[in-house]
Amino acid sequence: EDKVVQSPLSLVVHEGDTVTLNCSYEVTNFRSLLWYKQEKKAPTFLFMLTSSGIEKKSGRLSSILDKKELFSILNITATQTGDSAVYLCATPHSGNTPLVFGKGTRLSVIA
Amino acid sequence: DGGITQSPKYLFRKEGQNVTLSCEQNLNHDAMYWYRQDPGQGLRLIYYSQIVNDFQKGDIAEGYSVSREKKESFPLTVTSAQKNPTAFYLCASYGQGNTGELFFGEGSRLTVL
Repeated sequence: EDKVVQSPLSLVVHEGDTVTLNCSYEVTNFRSLLWYKQEKKAPTFLFMLTSSGIEKKSGRLSSILDKKELFSILNITATQTGDSAVYLCATPHSGNTPLVFGKGTRLSVIA
Repeated sequence: DGGITQSPKYLFRKEGQNVTLSCEQNLNHDAMYWYRQDPGQGLRLIYYSQIVNDFQKGDIAEGYSVSREKKESFPLTVTSAQKNPTAFYLCASYGQGNTGELFFGEGSRLTVL
């Protein structure tokens, strides 16, 4: 059974801290791993990772994939209150397009 | 602008009533999906459709039904058989030209009284 496990499930940090969110996955025919940010309604796309060891970066956010260990991390440096959200990790089901999601990590950044 | 429109955004219903959530996209995407989100549960797949007039059950299809008569539209009916329908419902679509990500609507929050 395909599955995605995220940790921690929730996290509270102060502004300026650096955080690392974790995502492990099990899927028969891996194609990609995706990160989304969900604030109040629709998840918004952050990154798609397909190759091990290649960091994707967007501003203060970065992510990397380890296909050997079936693991990805999402780093956020110099956190701001606007980073408060649920961060979702997902991967396509084996042989098919629909994404299977982890339960998400709820990040709260306090001033 | 291209996108996915879900309606209504908020909906209340009494137990025993069916309710239909609308999802329309003008992205010319072939594939459309319905996910359910409960607190602390992430997103779980209800139904998906990869082409008009065809759809498949996802992980939690019981108590739900869908149709895909037009490429642009993928409505979801929450039937009275769904034992715990109060949730946040998200519709998404995917096109062949994408880099892999799904595009999501703004969601519909259903509360059963």
